[in-house]
Amino acid sequence: KAGVTQTPRYLIKTRGQQVTLSCSPISGHRSVSWYQQTPGQGLQFLFEYFSETQRNKGNFPGRFSGRQFSNSRSEMNVSTLELGDSALYLCASSLMGIDEQFFGPGTRLTVL
Amino acid sequence: TQLLEQSPQFLSIQEGENLTVYCNSSSVFSSLQWYRQEPGEGPVLLVTVVTGGEVKKLKRLTFQFGDARKDSSLHITAAQPGDTGLYLCAGASKTSYDKVIFGPGTSLSVIP
Repeated sequence: KAGVTQTPRYLIKTRGQQVTLSCSPISGHRSVSWYQQTPGQGLQFLFEYFSETQRNKGNFPGRFSGRQFSNSRSEMNVSTLELGDSALYLCASSLMGIDEQFFGPGTRLTVL
Repeated sequence: TQLLEQSPQFLSIQEGENLTVYCNSSSVFSSLQWYRQEPGEGPVLLVTVVTGGEVKKLKRLTFQFGDARKDSSLHITAAQPGDTGLYLCAGASKTSYDKVIFGPGTSLSVIP
């Protein structure tokens, strides 16, 4: 069974731009969660989508948004990028959301 | 607010030594997962524990879930350089929020 895939793996943007990251979950998994990981803050929960609906949301500004498609693939968008948005963005899929999560390799975003 | 604490934050040991890392919370979890993450990659699931008092062994790794399901420990016997990484615990709680909470992690370095 194929694992979670994320594209792109690396991204460099400048302040003020926007970015879209993509995540394909494990086949059959309906829940996709997004996390931001930085050395100082650790792994921080952004949001979770289940069957195309946002079910949970972390404490991030509205510049961070996401969506999930009918095939469970998910995208995350960050608008008006700031230097502090530089981080490893991780996507995780699970069957129901509150069970075992399987992570993708992440997208390393650098904002200059 | 549910929080998971992990200790120690950093650990550097010689190859062959034993170690224990801890994951604690004031909240009760229905299940708890341990992950290991290597630099630049996504966390990889090691084990899930669901029953209070449960002990699971994975080769040289022993995981224990506290009787009250509020804490867990990971013991590594005869550590090897390949054990180096960030160890994360994550708790799943059947609250109205229904989401998984991650601890800040223990960074382990095993020196050859």
